[in-house]
Amino acid sequence: AQSVTQLDSHVSVSEGTPVLLRCNYSSSYSPSLFWYVQHPNKGLQLLLKYTSAATLVKGINGFEAEFKKSETSFHLTKPSAHMSDAAEYFCVVTLNTGNQFYFGTGTSLTVIP
Amino acid sequence: DTAVSQTPKYLVTQMGNDKSIKCEQNLGHDTMYWYKQDSKKFLKIMFSYNNKELIINETVPNRFSPKSPDKAHLNLHINSLELGDSAVYFCASSLSPTRYTGELFFGEGSRLTVL
Repeated sequence: AQSVTQLDSHVSVSEGTPVLLRCNYSSSYSPSLFWYVQHPNKGLQLLLKYTSAATLVKGINGFEAEFKKSETSFHLTKPSAHMSDAAEYFCVVTLNTGNQFYFGTGTSLTVIP
Repeated sequence: DTAVSQTPKYLVTQMGNDKSIKCEQNLGHDTMYWYKQDSKKFLKIMFSYNNKELIINETVPNRFSPKSPDKAHLNLHINSLELGDSAVYFCASSLSPTRYTGELFFGEGSRLTVL
């Protein structure tokens, strides 16, 4: 069975400080992992994805995530938060052989000026 | 050009009415989905079609009926609307599992409010 847990429902950071959004997954097989971002009243947009290549994945807008199999984690980071980063972030897991996507419950990121 | 487009963006209707949401993708994808996002932002898969064939049908009331006239379109019809149907409905598409890149492309959502 596959599932994903986002450990924080809300994260607040000050502008210019680092961002860490945590995600743990469980999967019986080699998973693909994604982070999506949803800005207010918008659809979801892919930030980055891991599909069994390099374990450190770089995405758009300065975000990156590291796949750690031993910790079953795929945390999202950014060195310096920008006001425009305020949004909802979803961690997603799926198998390479299927099209069933498992979404986390989301983390709401607030950036304080 | 919008990759995945949904119409309408907003629907406000009374309980008991029937409504439809349309979705079209111009990405050449084989697989399309409907997701429901509740007020807590939780996303739940409802249906998935691959080349017009239903492949995922989660536990959804049979008042919800998807229709895929071709692989570029997936519409959602809802009968006898209830208060609990109020949500944002997202259409998405992806390549089929056999040509998998793993990315879902989402529409901007259709916000349904049932009064």
